Amino acid sequence: GAGVSQSPRYKVTKRGQDVALRCDPISGHVSLYWYRQALGQGPEFLTYFNYEAQQDKSGLPNDRFSAERPEGSISTLTIQRTEQRDSAMYRCASSGNLGLAGAERYFGPGTRLTVL
Amino acid sequence: AQSVTQLDSQVPVFEEAPVELRCNYSSSVSVYLFWYVQYPNQGLQLLLKYLSGSTLVKGINGFEAEFNKSQTSFHLRKPSVHISDTAEYFCAVSEDSGNEKLTFGTGTRLTIIP
Repeated sequence: GAGVSQSPRYKVTKRGQDVALRCDPISGHVSLYWYRQALGQGPEFLTYFNYEAQQDKSGLPNDRFSAERPEGSISTLTIQRTEQRDSAMYRCASSGNLGLAGAERYFGPGTRLTVL
Repeated sequence: AQSVTQLDSQVPVFEEAPVELRCNYSSSVSVYLFWYVQYPNQGLQLLLKYLSGSTLVKGINGFEAEFNKSQTSFHLRKPSVHISDTAEYFCAVSEDSGNEKLTFGTGTRLTIIP
């Protein structure tokens, strides 16, 4: 079946603009995770959802970052008033096992965000 | 809070030679451990994971890893590498604490020399 999809795959924006990154998880997966990966670094946790409920947003860098998953499926990560330091690969993952920290996460291809 | 250390940022290895990629973790509770691989221009793919039971875990593509609780390590090994193993490898940990946060190391770039 289809894997995790993300759109757009590439986004170039000017500093100060808002961007919305979309994640479509594997059908039926209840948990959804957002990560940010800077060049040469490992993925950094941002936030995650079980169904539509945001469980942990401790990794969001500041209040310009927000995420939602209103119907427990597709999720949107929004960055307001983008800054150059926001440039990174934004990765989404989903998992079908609710509440299991050991469950496999299936990662999407990522969105490469470049802020000029 | 959990953390992961991958001391080797780059590892060059001759084809058909063995390789070990090191991973150490820190946590105050029981952990689950993972190795993910990222091939050039692709997403992250799970190689193997340790949840419980046997400390030697076998994964895809001939890789295996051994969980060592006393040394807080989860090193990845392969007895004979191929050109196709060239990729970035990430170790990750999550805690058995009800939170599903997965913490990654900084990665090790494995380069296979023909």
